[in-house]
Amino acid sequence: GDSVTQMEGPVTLSEEAFLTINCTYTATGYPSLFWYVQYPGEGLQLLLKATKADDKGSNKGFEATYRKETTSFHLEKGSVQVSDSAVYFCALKHSGYALNFGKGTSLLVTP
Amino acid sequence: ETGVTQSPTHLIKTRGQQVTLRCSSQSGHNTVSWYQQALGQGPQFIFQYYREEENGRGNFPPRFSGLQFPNYSSELNVNALELDDSALYLCASSLGRTGGDNEQFFGPGTRLTVL
Repeated sequence: GDSVTQMEGPVTLSEEAFLTINCTYTATGYPSLFWYVQYPGEGLQLLLKATKADDKGSNKGFEATYRKETTSFHLEKGSVQVSDSAVYFCALKHSGYALNFGKGTSLLVTP
Repeated sequence: ETGVTQSPTHLIKTRGQQVTLRCSSQSGHNTVSWYQQALGQGPQFIFQYYREEENGRGNFPPRFSGLQFPNYSSELNVNALELDDSALYLCASSLGRTGGDNEQFFGPGTRLTVL
């Protein structure tokens, strides 16, 4: 069945450092891919998405490119801020109803 | 525009008890999905309701059941609680069935602890 694998955290970075969170997936066909962010005490928020191969999703300085050849959707940001500290979830939606999430990667950005 | 709200925020129950969690969908949304997020894990899909009918179900036993009301708010009921049911329960609303590409908007969740 479909599955998503994310790099394990926690990831600790200094402010203004470059961020990469790896995400790979297993799915038949052509799923849509998503990154969600969960701030402490809050629900999940959609950060960005891509619906077909080679699409690049971007939002708030974050980017991810749908790579079908490597079945990957790695999240990147050029310069992280303390306010980016949160848990990041990679997810896919194949056909049907449900988002299929990875286990999440905790990011802590220190001043 | 009011976002997705859930109640209660926290709940403590004992094994064997029953629990009802509630969700109010975002204004204008007619679809509600429920997810279970165990500690340190990603959310797992429980089921979805579209216009008051169950529209899809994940790998959860029948003691997990739900309802959607005419105003599109929803309840999640869990019978015969087990320790492993301890988790954050998330509700997400969207406009239209999510077989398509309709964005799901998540509430803050209900933290259930089963002792």
